[in-house]
Amino acid sequence: KAGVTQTPRYLIKTRGQQVTLSCSPISGHRSVSWYQQTPGQGLQFLFEYFSETQRNKGNFPGRFSGRQFSNSRSEMNVSTLELGDSALYLCASSLEQGRAFFGQGTRLTVV
Amino acid sequence: KNEVEQSPQNLTAQEGEFITINCSYSVGISALHWLQQHPGGGIVSLFMLSSGKKKHGRLIATINIQEKHSSLHITASHPRDSAVYICAVRTNSGGSNYKLTFGKGTLLTVNP
Repeated sequence: KAGVTQTPRYLIKTRGQQVTLSCSPISGHRSVSWYQQTPGQGLQFLFEYFSETQRNKGNFPGRFSGRQFSNSRSEMNVSTLELGDSALYLCASSLEQGRAFFGQGTRLTVV
Repeated sequence: KNEVEQSPQNLTAQEGEFITINCSYSVGISALHWLQQHPGGGIVSLFMLSSGKKKHGRLIATINIQEKHSSLHITASHPRDSAVYICAVRTNSGGSNYKLTFGKGTLLTVNP
């Protein structure tokens, strides 16, 4: 069974631009969660989608958004990028509130 | 004060030693996760537990709900166990709504 796939693995963007990250969950998993990891703040929960609906949201500004498609693939979007958005973005998939399986992450650098 | 506190922040051990990493939390939880992160970023979920004890190979995780405390033990440690270990708690805010809050992690280095 293929694992969680995140694309791209690395990304460099300029301040003010917007970015879209993609996450393909393990087949059969309907829950996809997104996390941001920075050296200063550690891991922080962004949001969780289940069956195309955002069920939970962390404490991030509205510039951070996401969506989930009918095949459970998910995308997250960050608009008007700031330097502080530089981070490792991780997604995880699971069965309903079960054990989470993480992707390798997308390392975003904003310059 | 962080809702999830891990100790120690850094831990260096010799191969073969028994290792304990602790996690204390200050909120009511529905589950606690132990995660392992190797250099390069990949995270592996080691355990999800809401009571008692779980064992997988050389790894053992315990949780005491009344004391709001969990421990991760590694028996017969090996250099390949070197990684960051992260504790995360799931708190429910009603229905299927929940959030995950993470500890800062414990950097474990096992020397041969």
